[in-house]
Amino acid sequence: DTAVSQTPKYLVTQMGNDKSIKCEQNLGHDTMYWYKQDSKKFLKIMFSYNNKELIINETVPNRFSPKSPDKAHLNLHINSLELGDSAVYFCASSQDKNRHTDTQYFGPGTRLTVL
Amino acid sequence: LAKTTQPISMDSYEGQEVNITCSHNNIATNDYITWYQQFPSQGPRFIIQGYKTKVTNEVASLFIPADRKSSTLSLPRVSLSDTAVYYCLVGGPYSGGYQKVTFGIGTKLQVIP
Repeated sequence: DTAVSQTPKYLVTQMGNDKSIKCEQNLGHDTMYWYKQDSKKFLKIMFSYNNKELIINETVPNRFSPKSPDKAHLNLHINSLELGDSAVYFCASSQDKNRHTDTQYFGPGTRLTVL
Repeated sequence: LAKTTQPISMDSYEGQEVNITCSHNNIATNDYITWYQQFPSQGPRFIIQGYKTKVTNEVASLFIPADRKSSTLSLPRVSLSDTAVYYCLVGGPYSGGYQKVTFGIGTKLQVIP
């Protein structure tokens, strides 16, 4: 069973379109994250949700809107896609936002290409 | 947030021990040191975590000196399958009670036959 899953794995779209990436974790974790890994492989946190509540928002354009319908899901919706949004997006989860020893479990990533 | 510095890349022959050192001069008292491994086209995977001295698990060892301003990930007898990017992270609870860690660019380890 996949612990953290993301769909789709690949996403190719035109500039200006709106797209969503879905993430689900079956680990029973309370906290979920979205990361962006650009072409230089720099992995940057974008958002974090704890029990459906936004707790980290890292200066991300408001074209990016995370949505957490329940604590097992954290979806990422992107409006008006730009060329610079091309990257690999990783979803992750951890047990508890307050426990700094918690391991983050990552999904397989979604490679977004904006043409 | 404590900034980390690690070599961009390293090469090693199969069967050798590999040591990757990470500098984190402004590590805070509550910060833990965590290492992740990322294979191409996959998400990062937890390897090991420590606070001070030495930690060992079935995959690696982590050495942390008394001043905690650096740490060394040690991979015993590497194989080709250990070729990956290794990230050193320093983080802990902050105001608001949430964990926030930052991934740097990592160290790309290439294991050579």
